Amino acid sequence: DGGITQSPKYLFRKEGQNVTLSCEQNLNHDAMYWYRQDPGQGLRLIYYSQIVNDFQKGDIAEGYSVSREKKESFPLTVTSAQKNPTAFYLCASTLRPAGGNEQFFGPGTRLTVL
Amino acid sequence: SQQGEEDPQALSIQEGENATMNCSYKTSINNLQWYRQNSGRGLVHLILIRSNEREKHSGRLRVTLDTSKKSSSLLITASRAADTASYFCATPTDSWGKFQFGAGTQVVVTP
Repeated sequence: DGGITQSPKYLFRKEGQNVTLSCEQNLNHDAMYWYRQDPGQGLRLIYYSQIVNDFQKGDIAEGYSVSREKKESFPLTVTSAQKNPTAFYLCASTLRPAGGNEQFFGPGTRLTVL
Repeated sequence: SQQGEEDPQALSIQEGENATMNCSYKTSINNLQWYRQNSGRGLVHLILIRSNEREKHSGRLRVTLDTSKKSSSLLITASRAADTASYFCATPTDSWGKFQFGAGTQVVVTP
């Protein structure tokens, strides 16, 4: 089955620790995205990548980092510099970065900082 | 401020009734998309409407787009309990694949 997978589903982190959230897609999509969702809120864009080895900051990139070494993978690292990291993180992909293409979403990772 | 903003924030209806929600945006767009999110899950694409379209249907969903008013509406007809979810509109904010999502409309359908 084609789709996007995110792992882990739940993640607990102590303050001061970096954690990496995994996102993998086998849809052969060029573009991938990371969003943050807080309770009762919409999605805010953290980072996005249009092509391998390239990525751009979204609206709330501070305290986060990404890499895009493979087309299928777009991991997100939440660093200790992120002041309020507890949130629901969603990864998405789209066939082409431009144009009218739907985004396919993964199931999400819920990160809780203890 | 958000590019896409949904209205109302929440909507409670009974099964069989219609649900209508609206989305307003600020800049010119070439398409607008609607997504559904069940609690604690990822988003699922519902429908895309292009700027040269005024109305589009998909099953029990009807989407309209008024580019002069920079607004769109999503109508769910004959709602079911399974339609209980949050609904988001999304618009592209540049030509490089950046999207903006609104805060969503939370719809509760009671049997």
